[in-house]
Amino acid sequence: AQKVTQAQTEISVVEKEDVTLDCVYETRDTTYYLFWYKQPPSGELVFLIRRNSFDEQNEISGRYSWNFQKSTSSFNFTITASQVVDSAVYFCALRGNQGGKLIFGQGTELSVKP
Amino acid sequence: GAGVSQSPRYKVAKRGQDVALRCDPISGHVSLFWYQQALGQGPEFLTYFQNEAQLDKSGLPSDRFFAERPEGSVSTLKIQRTQQEDSAVYLCASSLRLAYNEQFFGPGTRLTVL
Repeated sequence: AQKVTQAQTEISVVEKEDVTLDCVYETRDTTYYLFWYKQPPSGELVFLIRRNSFDEQNEISGRYSWNFQKSTSSFNFTITASQVVDSAVYFCALRGNQGGKLIFGQGTELSVKP
Repeated sequence: GAGVSQSPRYKVAKRGQDVALRCDPISGHVSLFWYQQALGQGPEFLTYFQNEAQLDKSGLPSDRFFAERPEGSVSTLKIQRTQQEDSAVYLCASSLRLAYNEQFFGPGTRLTVL
């Protein structure tokens, strides 16, 4: 079975703090894909990143960075110097090597206060 | 370019009514997905299409749910004899091809069944 766990339901930080959102996944597939999406209050899911299981290189995009570790089945997301506009629900998702469906975690609601 | 669009954005139905939700994917996107998102939860897969072929409908919760994409572009999700437990946001996503590609989501249709 495939599963994604985001243990942090809610996180509250003050602007300019760094924050890490945790994601742990389970799959028996040897090839799989991991994703992060942002869902602001408007409701539309916004794609942030896709990672292939055979590429463990960490990635940085501006204030965002992602740490993929196959050994611990984790794909964590860090926001550096958080801003109020980062307030949203963030979802981690997994897709196996057969079929296109995404398996989402429960989401982490991030609140960044000024 | 235009993103994924969905209509209506909000739908209120009386229990027992039939509803039809429409999705217009990004032009040229071969794959189309439907997800159901209950309040405070992550999206859950319902079904997906590659062109006009429905390749996986394993997530449809009952035979009251039916989806079609007759010409390989616009898709309709139909729910017959709606029940209160059908109340949720229904999200549509499209991707360029099935494999490897990220899914781009529409704004969703919020269905409330009274």
